[in-house]
Amino acid sequence: QKEVEQNSGPLSVPEGAIASLNCTYSDRGSQSFFWYRQYSGKSPELIMSIYSNGDKEDGRFTAQLNKASQYVSLLIRDSQPSDSATYLCAVKLRYSSASKIIFGSGTRLSIRP
Amino acid sequence: DAGVIQSPRHEVTEMGQEVTLRCKPISGHNSLFWYRQTMMRGLELLIYFNNNVPIDDSGMPEDRFSAKMPNASFSTLKIQPSEPRDSAVYFCASSGGTYNEQFFGPGTRLTVL
Repeated sequence: QKEVEQNSGPLSVPEGAIASLNCTYSDRGSQSFFWYRQYSGKSPELIMSIYSNGDKEDGRFTAQLNKASQYVSLLIRDSQPSDSATYLCAVKLRYSSASKIIFGSGTRLSIRP
Repeated sequence: DAGVIQSPRHEVTEMGQEVTLRCKPISGHNSLFWYRQTMMRGLELLIYFNNNVPIDDSGMPEDRFSAKMPNASFSTLKIQPSEPRDSAVYFCASSGGTYNEQFFGPGTRLTVL
């Protein structure tokens, strides 16, 4: 089992709809969770961090964390073509050294007009 | 505030040549990471430093790769000799503070002919 798993996609969502991206992780004791967005040819950009169970909202983005089920998700409301990118989930595992985070392989999201 | 700075942004070299990639982390961050990204293998952590000390270099592919961090504001990743299979985008990232959020530089696109 991979430490951080994501569906590679592509996930195709119509403009204006809600895009839902999911990520599961292996270490139940993980404490910090991150979502990065990466446009083609660009570097990963941190868009959300979440540390406790529940939802965290920032504009059109909502991160959801369920530690009991070991999954974290990212919802994008009112999807726009500019949201088309690869989304990387990253997790600070309990047993990894202080600042190391593990990245999933990413989900490619395509918003169709 | 300046983000992570990398140079050069693009490098084209011939097989067998030495390549040196440079990184300046965000001021005040105490951790620095070198990643490599390819279509086939995704984002791979090569090595990271805490307080200028290498902590985990298990991702360095072979002895041709070496990294140094002589002070808190500068790091290098060197490949000697370079091979075509080293062609990839190399990212530097830094983190610091309570939650150790990582921020990426723009990357260096390396092509070895």
